[in-house]
Amino acid sequence: DAGVTQSPTHLIKTRGQQVTLRCSPKSGHDTVSWYQQALGQGPQFIFQYYEEEERQRGNFPDRFSGHQFPNYSSELNVNALLLGDSALYLCASSRRTNYYEQYFGPGTRLTVT
Amino acid sequence: GEDVEQSLFLSVREGDSSVINCTYTDSSSTYLYWYKQEPGAGLQLLTYIFSNMDMKQDQRLTVLLNKKDKHLSLRIADTQTGDSAIYFCAPGGYNKLIFGAGTRLAVHP
Repeated sequence: DAGVTQSPTHLIKTRGQQVTLRCSPKSGHDTVSWYQQALGQGPQFIFQYYEEEERQRGNFPDRFSGHQFPNYSSELNVNALLLGDSALYLCASSRRTNYYEQYFGPGTRLTVT
Repeated sequence: GEDVEQSLFLSVREGDSSVINCTYTDSSSTYLYWYKQEPGAGLQLLTYIFSNMDMKQDQRLTVLLNKKDKHLSLRIADTQTGDSAIYFCAPGGYNKLIFGAGTRLAVHP
């Protein structure tokens, strides 16, 4: 049973560029959440997708957007990258009917130079 | 606002018990979670407790919840070197989890 997978593992971008990160949820899960974890800090909630719609959003600017596909996989897009966007981006999946078990992927390490 | 506080560092001897404490402000949390993060890795779900419970035991792990004081603790019995990691307390509900800065547990011989 594959767990949550994310791609790519690492990414280096330049300020002002755009980036797309990808997440495949654990088998049987239909809900995907994205978190940003800056170095030395705990993860911060970006947003959550269910039934291809954004259900809740954290305190992040509109430069952060997402999408969920019919197969429940998800993308996180960040436009106009800033140095401060450098972080580990974590995807978590859960089942809406069993929402209390959220499983995280290994993350994508984004470095903005 | 929503806030989670944990002590930043805990050092224990191998074989001893570890107790990691957490206080939070969001009283509407339905579940309260403990996650473990090893260097360069994602978060591993260790255990969770429903907000109407006081205690939950899961093998070497014991979670205590004092809802009145908004205090959560994680006890690890017989701590091993493989338990060295950062531990995050995360109150949550249907949607987002709220994380503190985490407690770095160092286990020494």
